[in-house]
Amino acid sequence: EIVLTQSPGTLSLSPGERATLSCRASQNFGSSYLAWYQQKPGQAPRLLIYGASSRATGIPDRFSGSGSGTDFTLTISRLEPEDFAVYYCQQYGSSLWTFGQGTKVEIK
Amino acid sequence: QLQLQESGPGLVKPSETLSLTCAVSGGSISSTSYFWGWIRQPPGKGLEWIGNIYYYSGGSYYTPSLKSRVTISVDTSKNQFSLKLSSVIAADTAIYYCARLPAYSSSSFVFDVWGQGTVVTVSS
Repeated sequence: EIVLTQSPGTLSLSPGERATLSCRASQNFGSSYLAWYQQKPGQAPRLLIYGASSRATGIPDRFSGSGSGTDFTLTISRLEPEDFAVYYCQQYGSSLWTFGQGTKVEIK
Repeated sequence: QLQLQESGPGLVKPSETLSLTCAVSGGSISSTSYFWGWIRQPPGKGLEWIGNIYYYSGGSYYTPSLKSRVTISVDTSKNQFSLKLSSVIAADTAIYYCARLPAYSSSSFVFDVWGQGTVVTVSS
């Protein structure tokens, strides 16, 4: 079973700043199966990125994903007030799905 | 537009079986294009994948830590799928989400549509 480790646990930034979130896998897997989600309090998660770098429908272009192998990154180029939330990475491999533990992006 | 809606008891006693249903509207659960899955989130914690089912093949997939206690099934007559988790304990207290996963697209195997979630508490 692949374990995803996200860092940092919490990111304290101001609106307008750039956010860089990391997701590291315990072993190599196909980057086609790496996704990122955003979750706001009291809401279900929302798909942001799939295939490591493709934005889901309706996702603003300030969100971008990159990476391959075992290291993946979600970048928010300029934080908007509505972007402060918890972000999860997720992978699929060998008929198993796993989530990272999440990174909270909070207002500094 | 596809919508998912979870339903079931909000309170389950320890050692009993948790049973939840996810109603699918705006699409067919028997489509060959999608898997259907369950994810949970304990209070104040992260997301945990529980399992998925692919109606077309009849295949079901479960997280190893819950595999002995979980069953996911599909009811095409009601266009819904269900989760059963047996022998529940307090640690099974969580928000339970149902979700859809594309099977044969560039976004395969990601959770692209989610229900709003339902809170289940395990307590006597």
